[in-house]
Amino acid sequence: DAMVIQNPRYQVTQFGKPVTLSCSQTLNHNVMYWYQQKSSQAPKLLFHYYDKDFNNEADTPDNFQSRRPNTSFCFLDIRSPGLGDAAMYLCATSREIGPRADTQYFGPGTRLTVL
Amino acid sequence: SQKIEQNSEALNIQEGKTATLTCNYTNYSPAYLQWYRQDPGRGPVFLLLIRENEKEKRKERLKVTFDTTLKQSLFHVTASQPADSATYLCALDPLMDTGRRALTFGSGTRLQVQP
Repeated sequence: DAMVIQNPRYQVTQFGKPVTLSCSQTLNHNVMYWYQQKSSQAPKLLFHYYDKDFNNEADTPDNFQSRRPNTSFCFLDIRSPGLGDAAMYLCATSREIGPRADTQYFGPGTRLTVL
Repeated sequence: SQKIEQNSEALNIQEGKTATLTCNYTNYSPAYLQWYRQDPGRGPVFLLLIRENEKEKRKERLKVTFDTTLKQSLFHVTASQPADSATYLCALDPLMDTGRRALTFGSGTRLQVQP
């Protein structure tokens, strides 16, 4: 059974047109993460939620926003996508976070194309 | 600055041989290290976690070593099979002194097992 689900798997948008990616989890984990991954690069953490506590990485552009309306769902909003935002977007969860964090469970990713 | 280094060149080996992948890090003092597998177009999948006080960890045909003096982890796939072909990422736990709370990933090494 899928534990971390991302929709859609593929998203095509136009330059500057807002887009929302979604993630849901059945693990009841406290922490949800959003990563951006470009070809042959490490997943880059954009932000994470610990429950409702939002944590933004210092170098995450303002163009990226996130919402977590409940434990199960988390959304990534890209307000004005640029060509450089084309990437794979990965959602992940873990029970806890911090120096003794658990392993992370990843969704299959959403491939974003910006035309 | 903190850095995680994995060989960016693909590792090509013959089926049945042992593949060894390297993860080197600088300016970290991780309490543990994790290895993930990532197939093309998919999210990473957790494989193994090794703690700083463990020298070696095994799971089926996988073996991980952790040398905190050398600041290096080695990931071995024994009796390799074409199905082992994937990118393998190492990840380090957060840096307590920076307040960073999430895992940091390396960019991964692609393993290609030839039949």
